[in-house]
Amino acid sequence: QSVLTQPPSASGTPGQRVTISCSGSSSNIGSNTVDWYQQLPGTAPKLLIYGDNQRPSGVPDRFSGSKSGTSASLAISGLQSEDETDYYCAAWDDSLNGWVFGGGTKLTVL
Amino acid sequence: EVQLVESGGGLVEPGGSLRLSCAASGFTFSSYSMNWVRQAPGKGLEWVSSISSSSNYIYHADSVKGRFTISRDNAKNSLYLQMNSLRAEDTAVYYCARDPARPYPDYFDYWGQGTLVTVSS
Repeated sequence: QSVLTQPPSASGTPGQRVTISCSGSSSNIGSNTVDWYQQLPGTAPKLLIYGDNQRPSGVPDRFSGSKSGTSASLAISGLQSEDETDYYCAAWDDSLNGWVFGGGTKLTVL
Repeated sequence: EVQLVESGGGLVEPGGSLRLSCAASGFTFSSYSMNWVRQAPGKGLEWVSSISSSSNYIYHADSVKGRFTISRDNAKNSLYLQMNSLRAEDTAVYYCARDPARPYPDYFDYWGQGTLVTVSS
């Protein structure tokens, strides 16, 4: 059971906008920033969003992040077939003194 | 170019030990916190251990506390994970990941390709 809660799956059609939620608590999302990672099959995770809503250079502006209270969201607009993969949220947890991850969301492009 | 290359994975029997290494290049290693994150086959990501740039702050997940030890050698640009008393549930791909830690735990901006640890008799 992951400390951060994500839906196991999400889906959308090409061009559509989809969102993936990440729910936590006051000790993690409520007091620290949220990061999002994209993991293509058989490869290492890649940083997608950091600091709740910042995109590293090279990440398309179709990807955006937001946070409110103890929940965060990743939004992908203009969905493309290559977006079909796994997404994870993460945050530092002040009570556990460690990083916590969501269980991951598998995005399917229909 | 930032590069993180893990090594040291392999097959080990339950109760055995293994030492993972992560060789860093392309950046000033001594300025960054470093982490180990693992992923069991078909499962999600699980943080294992963190170490600050000067080794002043070290954290381990409860699942490995007392069995695993993270360390680093800034002179050799290397990160290590000493794993003792290994269990079947430690079977996973182990990634090393860099954290800018400006100055607190921040995010993982670069990851290695991972090394597979299999614990089985």
